[in-house]
Amino acid sequence: EDQVTQSPEALRLQEGESSSLNCSYTVSGLRGLFWYRQDPGKGPEFLFTLYSAGEEKEKERLKATLTKKESFLHITAPKPEDSATYLCAVVGNAGNMLTFGGGTRLMVKP
Amino acid sequence: EAQVTQNPRYLITVTGKKLTVTCSQNMNHEYMSWYRQDPGLGLRQIYYSMNVEVTDKGDVPEGYKVSRKEKRNFPLILESPSPNQTSLYFCASSHIGGTEAFFGQGTRLTVV
Repeated sequence: EDQVTQSPEALRLQEGESSSLNCSYTVSGLRGLFWYRQDPGKGPEFLFTLYSAGEEKEKERLKATLTKKESFLHITAPKPEDSATYLCAVVGNAGNMLTFGGGTRLMVKP
Repeated sequence: EAQVTQNPRYLITVTGKKLTVTCSQNMNHEYMSWYRQDPGLGLRQIYYSMNVEVTDKGDVPEGYKVSRKEKRNFPLILESPSPNQTSLYFCASSHIGGTEAFFGQGTRLTVV
């Protein structure tokens, strides 16, 4: 059974204070790892897909990296508008369902 | 604009009164799915559909039904809602299963 654990559950940062969010996963043959952003009361918004260890993707202040056991979402010099819940999901070779982690709620104070 | 549209956005109903939440996508995606999101439990898949007339159970299918008669539509049916189905529901679509999914805005359902 695929499993995804995200840490920390919540993270408070000052504006400009860089940090990283962790996504640890267990899956039988990784087909893809996905990062989403979710604002309160809204649907998750797709950010990145990573397919193999060593791969990196960037978008504005966000950079996602992948190893064989975990993924990191690095946030460089965050702004208050980066405040949201960040979700990680995986899909394995055994199926086509996304398994989501519990998310990290990020709060960036001005 | 590419989007997944759910209706209604908010719904309060009583136990046992059948309801349908509609979902439509305009991206010609083959794969569609329904999730529920509960505090502390995250997003859990209810049902999914790989194409027209092809549906299957996700992790938490009890108490729900779906149908896929057209490629763009994937309604979620609660035949006899109960209070434990109070939740935030999301519909999602993707080109094929296991690829990046695009989510609707959500339907907040309360069953009293």
